This record gives sequence, structure tokens and C-alpha cells, in this order.
Amino acid sequence: GESVGLHLPTLSVQEGDNSIINCAYSNSASDYFIWYKQESGKGPQFIIDIRSNMDKRQGQRVTVLLNKTVKHLSLQIAATQPGDSAVYFCAENIAGYSTLTFGKGTMLLVSP
Amino acid sequence: KAGVTQTPRYLIKTRGQQVTLSCSPISGHRSVSWYQQTPGQGLQFLFEYFSETQRNKGNFPGRFSGRQFSNSRSEMNVSTLELGDSALYLCASMSGYEAFFGQGTRLTVV
Repeated sequence: GESVGLHLPTLSVQEGDNSIINCAYSNSASDYFIWYKQESGKGPQFIIDIRSNMDKRQGQRVTVLLNKTVKHLSLQIAATQPGDSAVYFCAENIAGYSTLTFGKGTMLLVSP
Repeated sequence: KAGVTQTPRYLIKTRGQQVTLSCSPISGHRSVSWYQQTPGQGLQFLFEYFSETQRNKGNFPGRFSGRQFSNSRSEMNVSTLELGDSALYLCASMSGYEAFFGQGTRLTVV
């Protein structure tokens, strides 16, 4: 499928490295944050979420960190694999509203 | 259970035409959101429907419209197509604040 990665910041890593993808969010009222992974030709897939009353949440090989003071979110992927190559988006949500506001995305390229 | 189904997957239209895209959400989900994805603008919110009513709307011109049926299936329509409407149109089936996306409809306007 056509790439959605044009004009995106790109992070290139070697297989086995740890990856860190950053996101700055805009609305201090946002209280729910989600990371999505989008592979070529597919829709975004949920990876992990975090609520504003937390500053860290761990999943399988992924960790999300939230710094509300500077409105910053990061996604850490441990032991990155070629299958992790994709575009990663952060999304924010405000309580009471069901719409998500997405960041521009980061393309992760993993070399074997 | 089945995921979100969007049809068609690909579409080529001429400027000035209109187009209708369809989305079937996950069974039991009553909220459907639509997003436009372009390389330059990323994912932008179009509108959200819940129980056949438009609940939220993004900043798109009136040429973009949608509706939802009693079985929660949703359609979006774009009239008087412009070249800039070429994009991937994504439908999300909502469960609370979590969005489950379909594969999208790739619209190309020539």
C-alpha cells in the first residue's frame, strides 16, 4: 500500500536495540493517551495507553512514559525487531470527549 | 469477533464527482469515528456518530458529510471532489475512548 510515512521524522535502529519514540502533546486538559502502530497498507493498531494519573505503564516489550509538566509522551520498545518497523502515532483525548487528536507520527525503521 | 470493515479498499474518482464510503464497526460498538489521513497533515478527525446522531465534528467543509444507520454501520460522503481530497479515509469503531481502526479506503481524485 502507499506509504503514510512521507514527511515524517524517522528513527533508524538495529535489530535488538531499544527504541525511544517521542511525542509532544498540545492540550493540558488531555487525560488519556494512546500509542498506535501503523504498518503499510493497514489502519492504526492500538499498542498501549496511559491515563494522566500515571507516569509510567508497561506492556509486553513496550513502556509508555508520561511527563505532564512538559506535556511529553514517549514510547520505549525493548529489543526492537524488524516487525516493529512501522509509523507510530501518539493520540490524546480529553475526558468527556470521544475524539482523539493524533500527533504527526514517527517512522521506525529496524535493520536486521 | 470480526473487526472493522471498510469498503471499498481503493477508489479512483474524477474532480467534481461525489463518493460514498462505508464502514461496519465491531459488533456491539455504537460509536463510529472517521479520520482523513494524508502525508502532510497526518490523521485528522472528520466526525463521530453515536446511535445514528452526529456527536462531534472536525474542521472540514460541508462537502464532507456522514450518517449512521440503526445497525451502527456508517457512511461518509464527499461531494464535489477536489484533488486535495485524495487521502486514506479511516473509520474507527469506538469502545469508550479506545479506537479500533479499519484498513481504510484509499481515495484518489484525478
